[in-house]
Amino acid sequence: EAQVTQNPRYLITVTGKKLTVTCSQNMNHEYMSWYRQDPGLGLRQIYYSMNVEVTDKGDVPEGYKVSRKEKRNFPLILESPSPNQTSLYFCASSPTPGQWNTEAFFGQGTRLTVV
Amino acid sequence: ELKVEQNPLFLSMQEGKNYTIYCNYSTTSDRLYWYRQDPGKSLESLFVLLSNGAVKQEGRLMASLDTKARLSTLHITAAVHDLSATYFCAVDRGQFYFGTGTSLTVIP
Repeated sequence: EAQVTQNPRYLITVTGKKLTVTCSQNMNHEYMSWYRQDPGLGLRQIYYSMNVEVTDKGDVPEGYKVSRKEKRNFPLILESPSPNQTSLYFCASSPTPGQWNTEAFFGQGTRLTVV
Repeated sequence: ELKVEQNPLFLSMQEGKNYTIYCNYSTTSDRLYWYRQDPGKSLESLFVLLSNGAVKQEGRLMASLDTKARLSTLHITAAVHDLSATYFCAVDRGQFYFGTGTSLTVIP
């Protein structure tokens, strides 16, 4: 089954404690991205990756890091989380934008609370 | 920077009524996508519109794309409670740009 898998689904952590949210896809997609969703602000892109070892900042990259060492995995790293990073996070994958059909598939989401 | 605007942001409608959600975007694109999100859930793909004039229908929902006007519409026919959700449009322009979403509540 084609899917994007995020872990964990729920996470409560303390300010400053490094954490990683994993994302894995099994569709051989080149493009992967991370979004955060906050009430009234819609989906905002944090980082995206066009392929292995190619990453770029989205609209709200501050306080986040990513890596793309393998095509299937795109972890989101918060080196020193702060309460303003409390949010619902989604990972998505799709074929490379600009191709014919670049329908994105989303993970189930990670609800992060930083206290 | 490409901007994607949806109207309305909030929509409360009675069962059985018709309504249209609008998605305007600021730069040319031939690819537009509609997603549905239930509360606390992930985004689910609804429609893929890949050319000017494209029209797709699924049940009580119909989506269309006018690339010249940079406008997509999501039309709801005879709404039912199960359609209550947040609907997002997204444009592919080298990366994906999402609208702010339309929160739809269908009232019995």
